[in-house]
Amino acid sequence: DQQVKQNSPSLSVQEGRISILNCDYTNSMFDYFLWYKKYPAEGPTFLISISSIKDKNEDGRFTVFLNKSAKHLSLHIVPSQPGDSAVYFCAASARPLQGAQKLVFGQGTRLTINP
Amino acid sequence: DGGITQSPKYLFRKEGQNVTLSCEQNLNHDAMYWYRQDPGQGLRLIYYSQIVNDFQKGDIAEGYSVSREKKESFPLTVTSAQKNPTAFYLCASTGWTDTQYFGPGTRLTVL
Repeated sequence: DQQVKQNSPSLSVQEGRISILNCDYTNSMFDYFLWYKKYPAEGPTFLISISSIKDKNEDGRFTVFLNKSAKHLSLHIVPSQPGDSAVYFCAASARPLQGAQKLVFGQGTRLTINP
Repeated sequence: DGGITQSPKYLFRKEGQNVTLSCEQNLNHDAMYWYRQDPGQGLRLIYYSQIVNDFQKGDIAEGYSVSREKKESFPLTVTSAQKNPTAFYLCASTGWTDTQYFGPGTRLTVL
């Protein structure tokens, strides 16, 4: 059962325009969400996160939106740059009161920024 | 510099052999994790450890074993019982924030 889904395997965007990556989840216990960026043969790099008590979080060119009623989150990148070309993973967790946090990852979306 | 290191970057194994992947962190993080990535898929949790001398199975622990004798080290052994071990293996750790930080990964290929 895929608890976190990224339904678009790939996305192509022109440089300078907005990139919107989407993620859906099914587990209503998830209360913390993260986006990671990954290049081939490298570890994922943390981009931005959002807690379920918020519906928006911004960090520079990156904004994450959370719609809890729809169990949907999205990552907006504005403006898109060639260096943004990578695979983006959405991840979710139900934060424990203490101890380790188990992340559940989506399948990833490959973003390509065209000049 | 603080960070997570994994070694080796590439590893080749013959069928039937056990192999151990190294993960070291100098971030003073308590929790550490092992994930596996297969082509076209997300990361799947193999094992995790909240503190020294404690570890828990993740979603796909069969055929793997771990130890956590030191805070900074969390080695993963891929045993011959793992049916399809060829994959990209990632180690991560968490400190006082909820963000997991990842190492560069080890690509294991079974010949």
